[in-house]
Amino acid sequence: ETGVTQTPRHLVMGMTNKKSLKCEQHLGHNAMYWYKQSAKKPLELMFVYNFKEQTENNSVPSRFSPECPNSSHLFLHLHTLQPEDSALYLCASSQESAGPRSTQYFGPGTRLLVL
Amino acid sequence: DAKTTQPTSMDCAEGRAANLPCNHSTISGNEYVYWYRQIHSQGPQYIIHGLKNNETNEMASLIITEDRKSSTLILPHATLRDTAVYYCIVTGNYGQNFVFGPGTRLSVLP
Repeated sequence: ETGVTQTPRHLVMGMTNKKSLKCEQHLGHNAMYWYKQSAKKPLELMFVYNFKEQTENNSVPSRFSPECPNSSHLFLHLHTLQPEDSALYLCASSQESAGPRSTQYFGPGTRLLVL
Repeated sequence: DAKTTQPTSMDCAEGRAANLPCNHSTISGNEYVYWYRQIHSQGPQYIIHGLKNNETNEMASLIITEDRKSSTLILPHATLRDTAVYYCIVTGNYGQNFVFGPGTRLSVLP
């Protein structure tokens, strides 16, 4: 238990569906992250939020839309996904986005399957 | 960001120490060395990090060479539950954003 929760843990969706992934951290952190991990590949950073402001978008397609309403919650809205978007989506948080307090703590992930 | 090189896989006997090496020859003065592990299909778990000095916590020890060009993660008494992929990461200057490589797949054998 890292203090970072993600829901749902598993999601199956069609290419025309709209769904959202939710992440919540109970650590009082100010930075939150979305990562994607495709099968047999390293984690890829998607988005970074610091004090609710997006500070990094790692060339992610617009069918992925993040939202950070406050420092404790992070959403990833999914729309018109492709089968190759099937992956484990991981959320992480850290006290700060840079410096000695940037240790990231990860949630358990959402396993997404796009049909 | 400095790049890291790790062996693809390693085996370790249960109860013995597991020593996982990492090369980061291009590391610069303000970059930290972090270690995480990922047990199959779970989120990565933070293990330990350091800048210059050796570090120890309840999970592991981190030994950083004096020139900081390499480090070793030591699990003192490996158990079957330590079987995982271990990632060595060097953060950007001032500690921002991690870049995960393929890591080392550690298999602890009974």
